[in-house]
Amino acid sequence: DTGVSQDPRHKITKRGQNVTFRCDPISEHNRLYWYRQTLGQGPEFLTYFQNEAQLEKSRLLSDRFSAERPKGSFSTLEIQRTEQGDSAMYLCASSLQQPSRQFFGPGTRLTVL
Amino acid sequence: GESVGLHLPTLSVQEGDNSIINCAYSNSASDYFIWYKQESGKGPQFIIDIRSNMDKRQGQRVTVLLNKTVKHLSLQIAATQPGDSAVYFCAEYQAGTALIFGKGTTLSVSS
Repeated sequence: DTGVSQDPRHKITKRGQNVTFRCDPISEHNRLYWYRQTLGQGPEFLTYFQNEAQLEKSRLLSDRFSAERPKGSFSTLEIQRTEQGDSAMYLCASSLQQPSRQFFGPGTRLTVL
Repeated sequence: GESVGLHLPTLSVQEGDNSIINCAYSNSASDYFIWYKQESGKGPQFIIDIRSNMDKRQGQRVTVLLNKTVKHLSLQIAATQPGDSAVYFCAEYQAGTALIFGKGTTLSVSS
């Protein structure tokens, strides 16, 4: 499968714990995006990278959220001190030349107890 | 704030009918408008996009219409099939920003 992959697919954690999600984009895609999706809503943009540079991070929901893409390939999204309100689907997408054509992974569903 | 929204939360059609899903947008500066399909438990799937200087674009069984005068976007699906059942989102993109999604329309196709 040469699409966008995300790991894990599901994560259940207790409030206050840290979690990290991984995204592997389509191999030749230089742009990588993170979104959050809550039930019944469309995806909400969080941050994006062009190669290893994080070009937009002002939409990250709080300073508990951070993302990295150290080698310009895979990316990680970390949430520190999770709260129940962080429960959502976290989606990763990648694109090549046309940033309007983003290809999404299956998402990581986070449940904070 | 600027947002992209859809007119109807749900749409039910019979197999073989044509479906029309509508969307209203507010940001005149957007460069592209895009339609995504999302099936249960999956990430959004790109269907078709249209550049802001166009008013119509056709794909396989799908047509997107853009009316900039009234800031309206629609997705037409010809000969709707049960496999088309999903949530459909419109989104807009402005250079240097990210995709902004609306709330979605759930399409249900009965056979």
